[in-house]
Amino acid sequence: EPEVTQTPSHQVTQMGQEVILRCVPISNHLYFYWYRQILGQKVEFLVSFYNNEISEKSEIFDDQFSVERPDGSNFTLKIRSTKLEDSAMYFCASSESVLGGIREQFFGPGTRLTVL
Amino acid sequence: KQEVTQIPAALSVPEGENLVLNCSFTDSAIYNLQWFRQDPGKGLTSLLLIQSSQREQTSGRLNASLDKSSGRSTLYIAASQPGDSATYLCAVKESNFGNEKLTFGTGTRLTIIP
Repeated sequence: EPEVTQTPSHQVTQMGQEVILRCVPISNHLYFYWYRQILGQKVEFLVSFYNNEISEKSEIFDDQFSVERPDGSNFTLKIRSTKLEDSAMYFCASSESVLGGIREQFFGPGTRLTVL
Repeated sequence: KQEVTQIPAALSVPEGENLVLNCSFTDSAIYNLQWFRQDPGKGLTSLLLIQSSQREQTSGRLNASLDKSSGRSTLYIAASQPGDSATYLCAVKESNFGNEKLTFGTGTRLTIIP
């Protein structure tokens, strides 16, 4: 069964460093998302991406964050200068474009980011 | 702003019992609602999706209902098993075009006692 994959599973970085989290969405899906979950808190929406551009972003997704689809399969989230409060589990999700717009989102296993 | 609440935060039941998990949302103008399962330290597994026009959806021992006008959904698990132990999350997608995000509840941590 097709699934969303994410690498790495765990990333440890120093404050101020740049990190890139990688995702491979399900192959026929056209909508891509990033969410994050700080330990013990709700899953929060960061950004959605469609047709090679951001379609929606949350207040969390400030200038330190960017997303890219560098090729036909990968979808990346970059954090330019990490802060301690960026420590969280980051989930990638994807959904297909369906006539009538009913789109179930499928999530990857997550990347645990630890900022020291 | 949409707010999603799940009560209780934690629930323990003996194996074999039927149980109901609750989800409520403040803005009834939703497009769909998804129930997810999350195992500790793991990703989110989609269990059921209910469209706003539907009243319920079933998959195996799981049945999800939706009452959009009252802002409520329930997830019914029949004949619970220890393998059902996990955190269950509900999430709503709002109805306006271009709004693709899911808004999540805090989850209910379910423990099935063998």
